[in-house]
This record gives sequence, C-alpha cells and structure tokens, in this order.
Amino acid sequence: DAKTTQPPSMDCAEGRAANLPCNHSTISGNEYVYWYRQIHSQGPQYIIHGLKNNETNEMASLIITEDRKSSTLILPHATLRDTAVYYCIVRASDYKLSFGAGTTVTVRA
Amino acid sequence: EAQVTQNPRYLITVTGKKLTVTCSQNMNHEYMSWYRQDPGLGLRQIYYSMNVEVTDKGDVPEGYKVSRKEKRNFPLILESPSPNQTSLYFCASSLGLLGAYTEAFFGQGTRLTVV
Repeated sequence: DAKTTQPPSMDCAEGRAANLPCNHSTISGNEYVYWYRQIHSQGPQYIIHGLKNNETNEMASLIITEDRKSSTLILPHATLRDTAVYYCIVRASDYKLSFGAGTTVTVRA
Repeated sequence: EAQVTQNPRYLITVTGKKLTVTCSQNMNHEYMSWYRQDPGLGLRQIYYSMNVEVTDKGDVPEGYKVSRKEKRNFPLILESPSPNQTSLYFCASSLGLLGAYTEAFFGQGTRLTVV
C-alpha cells in the first residue's frame, strides 16, 4: 500500500471550509484513497473514498488530482464537532487499513 | 442499527491473568480485524479474519490470539497479559469483497490496563 503524508495539525474557524491535504505520490493505479476520522478516543469513522474522480457525500468532498499523487478532503462548513484526527489512507485490498499519524484538526468558535 | 460491539469498554487486570475481549457485529460482514492504538504509534493491526475459521496475523500479533467460529464474533484473547499490552483496542468489520471498496465499521474501543 502507498504511504501518505499529511500535515500534523491545522486549525479551522467554525462555519468555514476546512481543506485537508494528503500526498500519496507512490499510489498505484488500483489503489483507492480513503478518509477516516477519529474523534477523541472513539473508533475511527469512515468519511469518504475515491479512485480517480472527485466525490461528494453528506459529510465531505474529496478532490483527487489528475495524476492521483495528492488529494484534498473538504469539510464544507466545519463545526466544533468536526474536531478530530483525520486519516488519509490509500490501499488496494480490502483487508487492511494502514493508519498513519493523521492530521489533528481543531475547529475554533 | 448497524454496529460493532466490544466488551468490556474498560478493563484493568494483572500480569499473567488470561482475558478475552469480545467483538460482535450485526452486519453479516465477512472481514473482521483487531487494532491497538498507542500514543505516537497510531493504529496497528493485530489480527484479521477473512471469514469463519480463516484468520491471519497483522503487524503486531505477538502475545495475542483470535478465533472466528461464527461470522458475527471475533474475540481477542490475551493468554498471559503483560504491561506492554496496555493499550486502546478496536475491533473493525467490513464486507470484505475482494477488489471492491467496502466501508469499515469500528467498535467503540476497549481500554485495557495491565498492571
């Protein structure tokens, strides 16, 4: 599985969009990009995933560059409840999620 | 409601006393796994199971055992716990369709302290 690089932390103002970058320059053609988040010490929660195209769901949008070497998770209107550690993961098989250090996002009022 | 249930949520035990952390899912998922989370080391996979009676080691299997006798249950067994197994443990499950993405669902975690 490809390795990912994320900034260790970022702040965001409540109500504004939060843009979380992720670099995955060694990603292979069959590897998906997944995003999970972990609020405090709860179990990780799935957010969104994609292969090539941009994706949007009720939680977030995922923008993947054309060369697929990087992506951005967008939380359109961040709330205090979005404060969490966000993990960007790339993988081909379904059998393992390799979590890195993630990005600690703090949403401030 | 789709969920993964772990028990107990909190456990303090003594070195060498065998314990079992249970994990059950109600989504008929094929794939289940166990992770441990430690400060500075992130989430690391301990064991996984692709289906009933099929289990395999993850990244940090030493000191742990698992079994998968039924599809819904995947207990984590510590035969002789040691203080270095003090950690936050998570069970996860997913459909496990090879080649297709499936969302992983995580339990609420078990905080284990071995003294």
